[in-house]
Amino acid sequence: GAGVSQSPSNKVTEKGKDVELRCDPISGHTALYWYRQSLGQGLEFLIYFQGNSAPDKSGLPSDRFSAERTGGSVSTLTIQRTQQEDSAVYLCASSLGAGGPVGTDTQYFGPGTRLTVL
Amino acid sequence: AQTVTQSQPEMSVQEAETVTLSCTYDTSESDYYLFWYKQPPSRQMILVIRQEAYKQQNATENRFSVNFQKAAKSFSLKISDSQLGDAAMYFCALGGNTPLVFGKGTRLSVIA
Repeated sequence: GAGVSQSPSNKVTEKGKDVELRCDPISGHTALYWYRQSLGQGLEFLIYFQGNSAPDKSGLPSDRFSAERTGGSVSTLTIQRTQQEDSAVYLCASSLGAGGPVGTDTQYFGPGTRLTVL
Repeated sequence: AQTVTQSQPEMSVQEAETVTLSCTYDTSESDYYLFWYKQPPSRQMILVIRQEAYKQQNATENRFSVNFQKAAKSFSLKISDSQLGDAAMYFCALGGNTPLVFGKGTRLSVIA
């Protein structure tokens, strides 16, 4: 079956513009996660959804970052007034979300969106 | 807070040889899971192996196995019979009641 897909694959924007990044999880997966991967760094957790609810938004780096999920499926990560430090690869993952603790599910990742802010 | 440390930024191995990637972690939780993910140049993270902390037996997946030392909080990955396709970034991750925490990764090169 289809894996996690993300669009766009690459996004170049100018400082101060808003961007939207999209994630389509694996069908039937109720949990969805967003991460940021800066050059040479590991993955930084941003937010996760269980269904359409976001129990943990602790990783969002500022109020310029927001995310939503509709219909328990597609999710959009929005970055307003982008800054150069927002340049990174944004990875999305999904998991079955079978009700156990959030960090115990096996997560399946998409190919990421590389965001470049000029 | 949970932390994951990968002390080897880069490693290399000859094709067909064995290599071990190290990972240490810290957590106050008693029940947690540990993961190794592989990230090839395509960027897509792929699960290599998963270990449940309450299971004493080390997880194995074909040529990949782990050495899980719970008391030492160590979770190393052994790759046997290394292949060119194993070249990638490898990330160790820790999860439990909080979202996954990842190490900074080890870049593995495989020499033909």
